[in-house]
Amino acid sequence: DAGVTQSPTHLIKTRGQQVTLRCSPKSGHDTVSWYQQALGQGPQFIFQYYEEEERQRGNFPDRFSGHQFPNYSSELNVNALLLGDSALYLCASRMVENYGYTFGSGTRLTVV
Amino acid sequence: GQQLNQSPQSMFIQEGEDVSMNCTSSSIFNTWLWYKQDPGEGPVLLIALYKAGELTSNGRLTAQFGITRKDSFLNISASIPSDVGIYFCAGERNDMRFGAGTRLTVKP
Repeated sequence: DAGVTQSPTHLIKTRGQQVTLRCSPKSGHDTVSWYQQALGQGPQFIFQYYEEEERQRGNFPDRFSGHQFPNYSSELNVNALLLGDSALYLCASRMVENYGYTFGSGTRLTVV
Repeated sequence: GQQLNQSPQSMFIQEGEDVSMNCTSSSIFNTWLWYKQDPGEGPVLLIALYKAGELTSNGRLTAQFGITRKDSFLNISASIPSDVGIYFCAGERNDMRFGAGTRLTVKP
């Protein structure tokens, strides 16, 4: 049983560009959350998607947007990339509330 | 915001020793969770706690959900080299927030 799958694993972008990261949740999971993890820090909550809608949002600017598809997969889009957006982006999924999330291995984004 | 204060930041211990780490917050959470993250990987769930006062074990790991719902601790007994990694606490109410992590080094 595949867990949470993220693509690509690594990405290098230039400042000002736009990026799309993709996530396939674990089979049977319908809720997806995205996190940004800077080096040496804990994951920071970006937003959560359920039933194709953004349900919760952390303290991130509108440059960060997302989408959830009918098959529960999700995308994270970041516009106008800044050097400070360089981080590991983690996708996590779960089936029901109050159960722990399963995390993917992340996408390492480097902005130069 | 929902700030989680995790301590200690790092620990250097001898194989076989017990380890204790904790997490506190000014906010109340409905669920406390403990994750471990190895280099190049996403966090892996170790223990989830759902009720205030709950004490749960998973092998050599024991965690408790504080009675005030604002804190939690994780104990690791008889540490082994593969316990090395970064341990994160996380609290969930509407969404899940993480502490800054405890980096554990185990010397054989």
